[in-house]
Amino acid sequence: AQTVTQSQPEMSVQEAETVTLSCTYDTSESNYYLFWYKQPPSRQMILVIRQEAYKQQNATENRFSVNFQKAAKSFSLKISDSQLGDTAMYFCAFISQGAQKLVFGQGTRLTINP
Amino acid sequence: NAGVTQTPKFQVLKTGQSMTLQCAQDMNHNSMYWYRQDPGMGLRLIYYSASEGTTDKGEVPNGYNVSRLNKREFSLRLESAAPSQTSVYFCASSVSGGWNQPQHFGDGTRLSIL
Repeated sequence: AQTVTQSQPEMSVQEAETVTLSCTYDTSESNYYLFWYKQPPSRQMILVIRQEAYKQQNATENRFSVNFQKAAKSFSLKISDSQLGDTAMYFCAFISQGAQKLVFGQGTRLTINP
Repeated sequence: NAGVTQTPKFQVLKTGQSMTLQCAQDMNHNSMYWYRQDPGMGLRLIYYSASEGTTDKGEVPNGYNVSRLNKREFSLRLESAAPSQTSVYFCASSVSGGWNQPQHFGDGTRLSIL
């Protein structure tokens, strides 16, 4: 069975700092997609960034970037120049090729302090 | 831009009552999904519909039924609500059932069963 683990239940940093959220996953599949979703207090699930396993280059979306280590099955999210609006729950998610089901991690609650 | 719309946003039921959660998307997506989110856990898939006219069980289908009414609408029904079904329910959609297509989420329905 595929599993996704986020080992940091909560994190807190000061505004403008850089923060890295960890995610590891377990799968025997060779191709898959990894996602980071953000869930602010409004509860909406917002796609932050995604990475296909076959692509070696790490994905980047403005202040958000990932460090994808396929051999280590690690997919961390780096937020640069953090902003108050980045305060949210962050979920790492995985889907294997041909599958319908997104598998989510338990989430990391990130607080950006002024 | 409505995206995925869920109704109601909040609901309180008594044990044994029935209720239908509604979901509609205006993005012309083929695939739709129902998830539940419990404290300390990521989202878990209840049911999904890869295309109009088809539905399949996800990870936690017991106690639920679904109907894909048309391409836009996908409802979730609790026939006899139980306290264990207290949760936040999310509907999502994607362009196709393709594993590499991101899912777009609604704002969620907070359901409490007394």
